[in-house]
Amino acid sequence: KNQVEQSPQSLIILEGKNCTLQCNYTVSPFSNLRWYKQDTGRGPVSLTIMTFSENTKSNGRYTATLDADTKQSSLHITASQLSDSASYICVVSEFSGGYNKLIFGAGTRLAVHP
Amino acid sequence: EAGVAQSPRYKIIEKRQSVAFWCNPISGHATLYWYQQILGQGPKLLIQFQNNGVVDDSQLPKDRFSAERLKGVDSTLKIQPAKLEDSAVYLCASSLAQVPDSYNEQFFGPGTRLTVL
Repeated sequence: KNQVEQSPQSLIILEGKNCTLQCNYTVSPFSNLRWYKQDTGRGPVSLTIMTFSENTKSNGRYTATLDADTKQSSLHITASQLSDSASYICVVSEFSGGYNKLIFGAGTRLAVHP
Repeated sequence: EAGVAQSPRYKIIEKRQSVAFWCNPISGHATLYWYQQILGQGPKLLIQFQNNGVVDDSQLPKDRFSAERLKGVDSTLKIQPAKLEDSAVYLCASSLAQVPDSYNEQFFGPGTRLTVL
């Protein structure tokens, strides 16, 4: 069964600190992996998209890594800000039947405290 | 560029009542998706349209849920009759790709929060 598992489920850090969120997946055939940020009461917003051949991609203070061999990804947030408080969702795309189907993780809820 | 619009933003109904949600995707986007997001979980795809045709509705509870996308633009999602377990946020998303490819980015609307009492 295609699954996306994220850890930790929730995380509290102090403003200015770094943190790393983890994502393990069993999706096959793999097409790409995305990280989304979802603020409370809003829809998810894409942070990064990586294909099989990419093992790192940055978007400002966000850096995503992908190890397609071990089927693991991480999202590293540098110098956290209060506005980083949100849920971070790992999404793996399965290419099947001629189109991409997105498999969503449950998300990691990050709280950044002053 | 305007984003994906959804209405209403909030809806409270009693079980066994009917409810409808509306979505207006980003102009020119061929693909439209409806997701259900239960509190504490990631979104689950209910139905995917390519223009006005259904690509995937394998996880849509067809005995009570229905969706349509007339003229390949706006879409409505209906629940009839609603159950307590339908309480969730219903997200609409759209993407540009005319032909599904590996990099089509989805843009999400703000969602409709449904509470079934």
